[in-house]
Amino acid sequence: AQSVAQPEDQVNVAEGNPLTVKCTYSVSGNPYLFWYVQYPNRGLQFLLKYITGDNLVKGSYGFEAEFNKSQTSFHLKKPSALVSDSALYFCAASNQAGTALIFGKGTTLSVSS
Amino acid sequence: GAVVSQHPSWVICKSGTSVKIECRSLDFQATTMFWYRQFPKQSLMLMATSNEGSKATYEQGVEKDKFLINHASLTLSTLTVTSAHPEDSSFYICSARVGHGYTFGSGTRLTVV
Repeated sequence: AQSVAQPEDQVNVAEGNPLTVKCTYSVSGNPYLFWYVQYPNRGLQFLLKYITGDNLVKGSYGFEAEFNKSQTSFHLKKPSALVSDSALYFCAASNQAGTALIFGKGTTLSVSS
Repeated sequence: GAVVSQHPSWVICKSGTSVKIECRSLDFQATTMFWYRQFPKQSLMLMATSNEGSKATYEQGVEKDKFLINHASLTLSTLTVTSAHPEDSSFYICSARVGHGYTFGSGTRLTVV
């Protein structure tokens, strides 16, 4: 069965410091990997995706993620966190067969000023 | 870009009544729509996959007679929660695959009183 794991329920970081939100996946075939952010009572906002190509993917709002096939990981990173980055972050994956995205449980990012 | 319009954004209904949630693809044809349910501060759980012109495929544990999904056209998919009860209160989100990515509706907050 396919799955996505986000091992941390919450990540706390001070404004201006780098942040990392972890994600590992188990997907048959070549994975399509995504990061989304969600604010309270809102839908999902797309941050970035990996389909193929360079392992380092740059996305919206200064976020980036690195695809690591050997470790089956796709960690989300940002060099300098902002208070406004505080939100719920989801990692998601699918395979190339056009199936639905499978989501991790989500990680709450809290950036303190 | 591809946009899915989801309505209503929020709805309050009485126990025993039915509620219909609509998702319209505004500038593309959505042959497949995914329906998710999200409990507070939890992940998105796939409920069903609907394909235009055919019956929806429900995930294990999802009551197909309670959550009626219709995908009668390439631009409209609906989820009807029948005989709603307080335990059906949740955040419902639709999603369509677009190329190598996915687009999400803004979500519907359903409260059953």
